[in-house]
Amino acid sequence: SQTIHQWPATLVQPVGSPLSLECTVEGTSNPNLYWYRQAAGRGLQLLFYSVGIGQISSEVPQNLSASRPQDRQFILSSKKLLLSDSGFYLCACRGESSYNEQFFGPGTRLTVL
Amino acid sequence: GENVEQHPSTLSVQEGDSAVIKCTYSDSASNYFPWYKQELGKGPQLIIDIRSNVGEKKDQRIAVTLNKTAKHFSLHITETQPEDSAVYFCAASPMKTSYDKVIFGPGTSLSVIP
Repeated sequence: SQTIHQWPATLVQPVGSPLSLECTVEGTSNPNLYWYRQAAGRGLQLLFYSVGIGQISSEVPQNLSASRPQDRQFILSSKKLLLSDSGFYLCACRGESSYNEQFFGPGTRLTVL
Repeated sequence: GENVEQHPSTLSVQEGDSAVIKCTYSDSASNYFPWYKQELGKGPQLIIDIRSNVGEKKDQRIAVTLNKTAKHFSLHITETQPEDSAVYFCAASPMKTSYDKVIFGPGTSLSVIP
């Protein structure tokens, strides 16, 4: 079964600074990958998904971007962070069954000050 | 597109009692309904799922039911324990395609009081 790693686990950044969050997946090949954001006490907002290397689709307009340089690596970035970017960022991977199971990583807690 | 509603938003039960969380969805093409449990500071964990060709599924103290006609599905937890305290998310998804979006409900915060 797949294992999802995310780092860093926590991050505190000043407004206007850049951001890079990394997600790597083990135990599967050519997975669909997803970035979600969860504001405090809120649900899951899909930010980006990727069906393959270099293929990124954005769900909501924002100052974040995503990249997939390798099959099992998914990166979330920003050139200049905003206060509203604070939240819990989750990477997810689709399972290999015929249904849309999604498996989540441990998350990164981002606080923008 | 698909829209998933979930009730209640918060739920407190005494240890040993049952807890029920209900969800509705809008897209009749959805045929896969997973449930996730999220403990504080952790990523959501898939705990059980149900597919549209099944009306009910049980796994120990957890059961899910699905009513496709009414577009309702529910999570039932019996003999609740303090470790069941968490946020629970329901979700709905159409058949797997090259792009498959899972739509999540807003979540239910469950507290089990010892």
